[in-house]
Amino acid sequence: EVRLVESGGGLVKPGGSLRLSCVASGIEFNYAWMTWVRQAPGKGPEWVGHIRGIPDGETREYASPVKGRFTISRDDSRNTVYLQLNSLRTEDTAVYYCAKDRPLTGGGVVSYWGQGTQVTVSS
Amino acid sequence: DIQMTQSPSSLSASVGDRVTITCQGSQDVGSRLNWYQQKAGKPPKLLIYDISNLETGVPSRFRGFGSGTDFTLVISGLQPEDFAAYYCQQYHDLPYTFGQGTELEIK
Repeated sequence: EVRLVESGGGLVKPGGSLRLSCVASGIEFNYAWMTWVRQAPGKGPEWVGHIRGIPDGETREYASPVKGRFTISRDDSRNTVYLQLNSLRTEDTAVYYCAKDRPLTGGGVVSYWGQGTQVTVSS
Repeated sequence: DIQMTQSPSSLSASVGDRVTITCQGSQDVGSRLNWYQQKAGKPPKLLIYDISNLETGVPSRFRGFGSGTDFTLVISGLQPEDFAAYYCQQYHDLPYTFGQGTELEIK
């Protein structure tokens, strides 16, 4: 059974930082493309970015609103993917989901989702 | 970025009804179009990928159609558990983008 468990969310002031973690089980983590998706209150999901697996060079892609502020990384020895959020803005307030794609879909077909972790940016 | 526009934004229907939700892309997305269902307080759930392929375990009353820029999700014989929000998503180009959603409510 695939499990994705996020942690690290919380309340932070504008300009602050947080690091979210996602521990995966039930998958061949080294090969997995891991994705972060967020959802602001009352809005649709928004793709944040992904990191490719070891065979694909562990390269990353980001959505424009977060590029230069957020960083995705992974620790394959711990089956964990991270999302470092810097220079946070009020519009970054959302539930952040860790996700994994269906194999061979380039990260685009998200089959597995964590339960999400809430990030609130407010003064 | 490719914009995905869904209609309607909300829809009221009864158990047993057939409903149609549409999704239009601002550019051709080929066959790279998915549909998700989301219930309150839960993450989205993949229903259909690549326009018309049902994810494992999804009932056959859900069907997807379309090509290029215009896509449709049809739910036949609505069940009580189908009342939820539905989102389309393209993965033809980065960044992958979702529609704004359609809220399906009980009439």
